[in-house]
Amino acid sequence: AAGVIQSPRHLIKEKRETATLKCYPIPRHDTVYWYQQGPGQDPQFLISFYEKMQSDKGSIPDRFSAQQFSDYHSELNMSSLELGDSALYFCASSLTGRREYFGPGTRLTVT
Amino acid sequence: DAKTTQPTSMDCAEGRAANLPCNHSTISGNEYVYWYRQIHSQGPQYIIHGLKNNETNEMASLIITEDRKSSTLILPHATLRDTAVYYCIVRVGGSQGNLIFGKGTKLSVKP
Repeated sequence: AAGVIQSPRHLIKEKRETATLKCYPIPRHDTVYWYQQGPGQDPQFLISFYEKMQSDKGSIPDRFSAQQFSDYHSELNMSSLELGDSALYFCASSLTGRREYFGPGTRLTVT
Repeated sequence: DAKTTQPTSMDCAEGRAANLPCNHSTISGNEYVYWYRQIHSQGPQYIIHGLKNNETNEMASLIITEDRKSSTLILPHATLRDTAVYYCIVRVGGSQGNLIFGKGTKLSVKP
């Protein structure tokens, strides 16, 4: 069965640079979620989209933005990267009223 | 969403049942209990969920007390591959709302 695809799987950036993470949800899923998991931390909800519209917002820094496109894939854009942004970033997708499926994550390292 | 309390860590012998408790004393009548797990840096994986009645699927059983203030996830025959962090999450109405991960239980299955 198709799963959530995230790219890239690993990304290394320097401070103050910009990064873009991509998420391709399971076909026909209408909702996408983004989570951040710092080293030794639990996953923290960042933002979600339903039918290409932002549906909820969590602890997402102002330096971050995200959107969901017409083909339902989503991108998380991070600017002015800081060392503390180094983390695993998970995307999840779901069909309304059904459970979430998580992707394998993107490991971002900021040096 | 209601707050949950789980033990920080637990050990279980391979082949034995693993019983993971969760307290959710402030749960509301329309809130479900969900269990996810995260195997070392992989994306969280759905296990099971329930409202009032006990539930069972191919992965686990969920026992919810009559007053719904606590629940137990049971892995009937734990294997080494079940070593993971297990999260008990309470959320409103089915899959509405975002998953808010608290401090889960680190389960170590030992040979």
